Amino acid sequence: KNEVEQSPQNLTAQEGEFITINCSYSVGISALHWLQQHPGGGIVSLFMLSSGKKKHGRLIATINIQEKHSSLHITASHPRDSAVYICAAPFGNEKLTFGTGTRLTIIP
Amino acid sequence: DTAVSQTPKYLVTQMGNDKSIKCEQNLGHDTMYWYKQDSKKFLKIMFSYNNKELIINETVPNRFSPKSPDKAHLNLHINSLELGDSAVYFCASSPGTGAFEQYFGPGTRLTVT
Repeated sequence: KNEVEQSPQNLTAQEGEFITINCSYSVGISALHWLQQHPGGGIVSLFMLSSGKKKHGRLIATINIQEKHSSLHITASHPRDSAVYICAAPFGNEKLTFGTGTRLTIIP
Repeated sequence: DTAVSQTPKYLVTQMGNDKSIKCEQNLGHDTMYWYKQDSKKFLKIMFSYNNKELIINETVPNRFSPKSPDKAHLNLHINSLELGDSAVYFCASSPGTGAFEQYFGPGTRLTVT
């Protein structure tokens, strides 16, 4: 069965902390997507990666193809990082299957 | 300029009615998608079109019918609305059907009463 699992489901941290969100998937894929859903509801694509590591500002995404695992890290977290972070994997015909999301709250 | 736009943003209607949601992208992308996000915030694909052709059709009731008049537009028509159709519907687009980043519209919150 094609599945995507995320952990933790909820994460609360103090401003400035280093954040890690994990994503595991069940079968080999071409690339993994990380998305951010703002409290207002909009969805933004953060990363799409097929190997190694990518960095945008304070956000870093890594993927281990052999272990079928990806992590999203946020350095020097800020209250504006509070959002739901969703990983998604394309299973068969590049159809995205989504994780259940991680609700991140950064407290000032 | 809005890359992927949806109308309306909010839609409140009664059970049994027929309604449409429109989506347009100005990115020149070939592929467009409809996703449904339920009350638990779980996203699931409904349909995907590539150059006006249907390529993904998930297990969605026949009451849902997508239409793509051209590759910049993908509309979703829903017949005989039911309470369970209440959700947020997101349109998205990508350059193609391969491993490409997807760009999401702002979502349409449908409430069926």
